[in-house]
Amino acid sequence: DTAVSQTPKYLVTQMGNDKSIKCEQNLGHDTMYWYKQDSKKFLKIMFSYNNKELIINETVPNRFSPKSPDKAHLNLHINSLELGDSAVYFCASSRLGQGYGYTFGSGTRLTVV
Amino acid sequence: DAKTTQPNSMESNEEEPVHLPCNHSTISGTDYIHWYRQLPSQGPEYVIHGLTSNVNNRMASLAIAEDRKSSTLILHRATLRDAAVYYCILRDRFSNTDKLIFGTGTRLQVFP
Repeated sequence: DTAVSQTPKYLVTQMGNDKSIKCEQNLGHDTMYWYKQDSKKFLKIMFSYNNKELIINETVPNRFSPKSPDKAHLNLHINSLELGDSAVYFCASSRLGQGYGYTFGSGTRLTVV
Repeated sequence: DAKTTQPNSMESNEEEPVHLPCNHSTISGTDYIHWYRQLPSQGPEYVIHGLTSNVNNRMASLAIAEDRKSSTLILHRATLRDAAVYYCILRDRFSNTDKLIFGTGTRLQVFP
């Protein structure tokens, strides 16, 4: 019974396409996040939602649009994919507050060709 | 956000204790010290966190210096499954925009 699940696990697509990655958590957490890990393995936060409300939006191109239909789901839609978008994308969730740990999904490896 | 400094890599033999150091000389009084690890081809995994006192859980122990400018993650008996990148992260207890900021971490190799 996976706590934070992402789909798909792998995604290969051509430049210019639009794609979505879905994330769901069954932990009852109120905050969800998207992180990007590039080819040099550097993990960087992209977005954070608390109870469906956007609270962190790092410097991310407008082509990336997160959507949270409810507090258990946070999807990431990417328009006009570019080669540089190739990376592993991780979804995570936590209770709001610095005393709590994050639970991460297993990642979605996106390859743009 | 306050920064942490960790060695790029460390090595250990299986079943030996491992002490992973982290320096955070600019830590503020409201910063928690968090540790995460990332096993190969997996997402990061929470390990442990603390504020001032040493902490123990089933995965590891966290020893925090009295002045809080450094901390050490202790794996009591390393196994091959502990080979991962370990990240030491500071989180401001009172920040309105809570987020984990990952550095480059310490790559731990464990030899049989």
